[in-house]
Amino acid sequence: KAGVTQTPRYLIKTRGQQVTLSCSPISGHRSVSWYQQTPGQGLQFLFEYFSETQRNKGNFPGRFSGRQFSNSRSEMNVSTLELGDSALYLCASSPGTGHTGELFFGEGSRLTVL
Amino acid sequence: QKEVEQDPGPLSVPEGAIVSLNCTYSNSAFQYFMWYRQYSRKGPELLMYTYSSGNKEDGRFTAQVDKSSKYISLFIRDSQPSDSATYLCAMSWGGKLIFGQGTELSVKP
Repeated sequence: KAGVTQTPRYLIKTRGQQVTLSCSPISGHRSVSWYQQTPGQGLQFLFEYFSETQRNKGNFPGRFSGRQFSNSRSEMNVSTLELGDSALYLCASSPGTGHTGELFFGEGSRLTVL
Repeated sequence: QKEVEQDPGPLSVPEGAIVSLNCTYSNSAFQYFMWYRQYSRKGPELLMYTYSSGNKEDGRFTAQVDKSSKYISLFIRDSQPSDSATYLCAMSWGGKLIFGQGTELSVKP
């Protein structure tokens, strides 16, 4: 069974630009969550989508947005990039039912903002 | 104060040692308690999860939860160099998963 696939794996942007990251969940998983990981703050929850609807949202500004498609694939977008947005962005999928702790993570998209 | 506190380490131990990793938390609403392992340049992978207070064992790993003290632990017996990674505790409530900062562990041959 294929794991969670994230693209691109690495990218470099400049301040003010926007970026879109993509995530393909494990086949059959309906929930996709996004996390930001930085050395200073650790893993922070961005949002979760289930059956194309945002089910939960973390404490990030509106510049961070996401969506989920009917095939469960998800994208997240960050507009007007800031230096502090440099991070590893992790996508995780789960069946979407039951408790929320059993997540399957991708390898992440490492974003560098210059 | 963060909802979940975890000493970031780094922690260095000799091969074969018993490793103890710990987290404390402040939100008594947390229901599920997890430990994830993250190798360098990889995403986290779930090691163990528990629901109630008590111990849960899986091979060389034992997870312990003490809800009265708001304290969870992960013990690794007979540690191996392949256990070198960052270990993250995580807790869930209300559909959200909150992670600790992660403890970087290095097991020296």
